[in-house]
Amino acid sequence: DAMVIQNPRYQVTQFGKPVTLSCSQTLNHNVMYWYQQKSSQAPKLLFHYYDKDFNNEADTPDNFQSRRPNTSFCFLDIRSPGLGDAAMYLCATSREATGAYNEQFFGPGTRLTVL
Amino acid sequence: KQEVTQIPAALSVPEGENLVLNCSFTDSAIYNLQWFRQDPGKGLTSLLLIQSSQREQTSGRLNASLDKSSGRSTLYIAASQPGDSATYLCAVYNQGGKLIFGQGTELSVKP
Repeated sequence: DAMVIQNPRYQVTQFGKPVTLSCSQTLNHNVMYWYQQKSSQAPKLLFHYYDKDFNNEADTPDNFQSRRPNTSFCFLDIRSPGLGDAAMYLCATSREATGAYNEQFFGPGTRLTVL
Repeated sequence: KQEVTQIPAALSVPEGENLVLNCSFTDSAIYNLQWFRQDPGKGLTSLLLIQSSQREQTSGRLNASLDKSSGRSTLYIAASQPGDSATYLCAVYNQGGKLIFGQGTELSVKP
């Protein structure tokens, strides 16, 4: 089945220690998104890639970066995690960014704990 | 700026009841609307997607309606079961393609 996969499902890191979260997709979609969801809050878009074009949300901290080396994979890098970065990180994909094919398909998420 | 509001924030019902979750949005110029389910500590599971030209979608015991002109959507769950306990999120796709989420309704169905 075509799907969105996130690894690992649970990640524990130490305060200030860089961490990378991974997302892969078999849907061959053009767009890949990263969301942050803190406890009892709505998911918040951090950034997205349309193919190789990176689109950062205005209020995404510089501490968060992303890489998309190919169509299938997208990574979220947190350079110096703080306690406030503990959250669920959700990856999503869509065929297009706008229009009739912009439905987003979500992965199972990675829960990040910062000690 | 699009804002999505879900009422109530939490709901507890006995098993077997039919229930309605409400979602409202401030800008009616949306493309699609989608309802998700989220279990504690888990990711999002898509339940129903309603395109802007549609008024409702059904899947099993779930029925979602959309009234763009009034900025409202409802998710109707028939014959609720304890397994339906979860947080239900409403999200709208704005014209720019962004997905704007509500805060969710936390549903508890008691046996």
